[in-house]
Amino acid sequence: AQKVTQAQTEISVVEKEDVTLDCVYETRDTTYYLFWYKQPPSGELVFLIRRNSFDEQNEISGRYSWNFQKSTSSFNFTITASQVVDSAVYFCALSESLYFTGNQFYFGTGTSLTVIP
Amino acid sequence: DVKVTQSSRYLVKRTGEKVFLECVQDMDHENMFWYRQDPGLGLRLIYFSYDVKMKEKGDIPEGYSVSREKKERFSLILESASTNQTSMYLCASSLLFGDRGPQPQHFGDGTRLSIL
Repeated sequence: AQKVTQAQTEISVVEKEDVTLDCVYETRDTTYYLFWYKQPPSGELVFLIRRNSFDEQNEISGRYSWNFQKSTSSFNFTITASQVVDSAVYFCALSESLYFTGNQFYFGTGTSLTVIP
Repeated sequence: DVKVTQSSRYLVKRTGEKVFLECVQDMDHENMFWYRQDPGLGLRLIYFSYDVKMKEKGDIPEGYSVSREKKERFSLILESASTNQTSMYLCASSLLFGDRGPQPQHFGDGTRLSIL
């Protein structure tokens, strides 16, 4: 079963619109961590945020904000006033609490965002 | 800044060849990972390593092996390349899981491998 689901395969918005990327996860652990990554056309995945399961406070960083809701197992990502440079593939990932090394991540299938000028 | 360097950006090989993909990181990270990325499938973990000479299978290890002789270097080996191994390969590294939980993985630019 897929541990991380990103149901939106592709999204297109016009510049300056707000856009929300959905992420739904599945885990039986009480301690887990969620991540968002951005993959621009150049290919390198860039780390955006890490959130642990005990911290449900929403986070804002500039035009980016994240809404973590344990009740719905969701960790959604909103870009406010989108810009062309936001065009990329965005991945959500889950890491469950491990008692050994390895730090395995489970990635969603990604959402491709295109911002049209 | 963490730098993860993959030896080739693009690589073309023939079916049956033994293929080596190299990855080097410069931040003394304990963990290193190899993923493949395919359209519609996201990133799938092939192998990871948490120490020199240690390796663990990921979700899709079949047809691959790895080598970690030095802490900074993690190699992915396709023993006998096949066309279904045509893909984008991504290497990543991270600090060891610590008190603050799993650390972010830092990725290289990727190697786009084509098997003809």
